[in-house]
Amino acid sequence: AQSVTQLDSQVPVFEEAPVELRCNYSSSVSVYLFWYVQYPNQGLQLLLKYLSGSTLVKGINGFEAEFNKSQTSFHLRKPSVHISDTAEYFCAVSDLSRASGTYKYIFGTGTRLKVLA
Amino acid sequence: ETGVTQTPRHLVMGMTNKKSLKCEQHLGHNAMYWYKQSAKKPLELMFVYSLEERVENNSVPSRFSPECPNSSHLFLHLHTLQPEDSALYLCASSQGGGETQYFGPGTRLLVL
Repeated sequence: AQSVTQLDSQVPVFEEAPVELRCNYSSSVSVYLFWYVQYPNQGLQLLLKYLSGSTLVKGINGFEAEFNKSQTSFHLRKPSVHISDTAEYFCAVSDLSRASGTYKYIFGTGTRLKVLA
Repeated sequence: ETGVTQTPRHLVMGMTNKKSLKCEQHLGHNAMYWYKQSAKKPLELMFVYSLEERVENNSVPSRFSPECPNSSHLFLHLHTLQPEDSALYLCASSQGGGETQYFGPGTRLLVL
């Protein structure tokens, strides 16, 4: 079974500093990879996704992620964070369910990013 | 965001109550999903509907009963819940069961 690991449950970082949120997945087949952000009392908003092609994916709000197949990683980065980036970030793997013919997501446990003034 | 809406946003219910959660998507999608988000646990997929037919049920207790009357609406009927069912319930949709899902804001449920 596939799994997604987000090793850091919390990441504090000062405003305007760079940040990297780590995500590793286990899979022996091609998968699609996603990062979602959840602000307090809100649902999940898609930040970016990797489906195929260039391994460096750019998303909204200045975030980017790099797909590394050999290391089965999909780390999220931002060169300079803002207070407004304080939120929880979820990495997810999606692959096709043979049972339903739809794509199933496997989520990591999330990383809480806290940006300090 | 108004692509996927959920009502109510907050719900408090007793263990003997019956209530329903509603999800509506305005994206023209034809697959819809219910997830449960509990504290310190990964999001758990509960149900998947594709073309209004339930195609996945991830061992969810029968006290949760989904309904999908059309491709735009999804309900989760709740009855005789337990306190451990308190969580954020998220609805999502996708096109053709596609690889990208779009989420609603969730309903925060508290069972007393």
